[in-house]
Amino acid sequence: QKEVEQNSGPLSVPEGAIASLNCTYSDRGSQSFFWYRQYSGKSPELIMFIYSNGDKEDGRFTAQLNKASQYVSLLIRDSQPSDSATYLCAVKQNRDDKIIFGKGTRLHILP
Amino acid sequence: SQTIHQWPATLVQPVGSPLSLECTVEGTSNPNLYWYRQAAGRGLQLLFYSVGIGQISSEVPQNLSASRPQDRQFILSSKKLLLSDSGFYLCAWSLYRVGNQETQYFGPGTRLLVL
Repeated sequence: QKEVEQNSGPLSVPEGAIASLNCTYSDRGSQSFFWYRQYSGKSPELIMFIYSNGDKEDGRFTAQLNKASQYVSLLIRDSQPSDSATYLCAVKQNRDDKIIFGKGTRLHILP
Repeated sequence: SQTIHQWPATLVQPVGSPLSLECTVEGTSNPNLYWYRQAAGRGLQLLFYSVGIGQISSEVPQNLSASRPQDRQFILSSKKLLLSDSGFYLCAWSLYRVGNQETQYFGPGTRLLVL
């Protein structure tokens, strides 16, 4: 089992709709979870981090964490063409303190 | 506020040539520093990390090396580049927080093409 798994996509979402990005992880003891956005040719930029079970909202973005299911997701409301990018899920593992990145999901917002 | 710089932004090098990429962080002290490589269509691969001056941990055996001569300076080097060294090299920094909370922030990256 891969340590952090994401669907590679592309995920196509109409403008104005909700985009839902999912991520699963293998280290059950992981405590810290991150979402990064990476535009083509650019470096990843942090969108959100979440440490506790439940939802965390920041503007149009909501991160959801379910530690029992080892699942973290990112919802983007009112999707805009500028949200088109690759979204990387990252997990700080408990067993070795390392931050492991998923390979990312390509999101395409359709105008 | 903290900023992270990397240079050069792009680099084209022949196979067998040496390499030196530099990363510096401003606005913080004693950061954890990281070098990642992102090959075309692939995920982020952690190459090295450092928790302090002169302290380097290597994640992947290869022809690359890293050094941290100053608190906020991290250097990635190679004596002889291989074709497979081509990729997007990213430096990142973080501060360790109590409770295992730690967030990494990335520099702008260096795009390396080995021919």
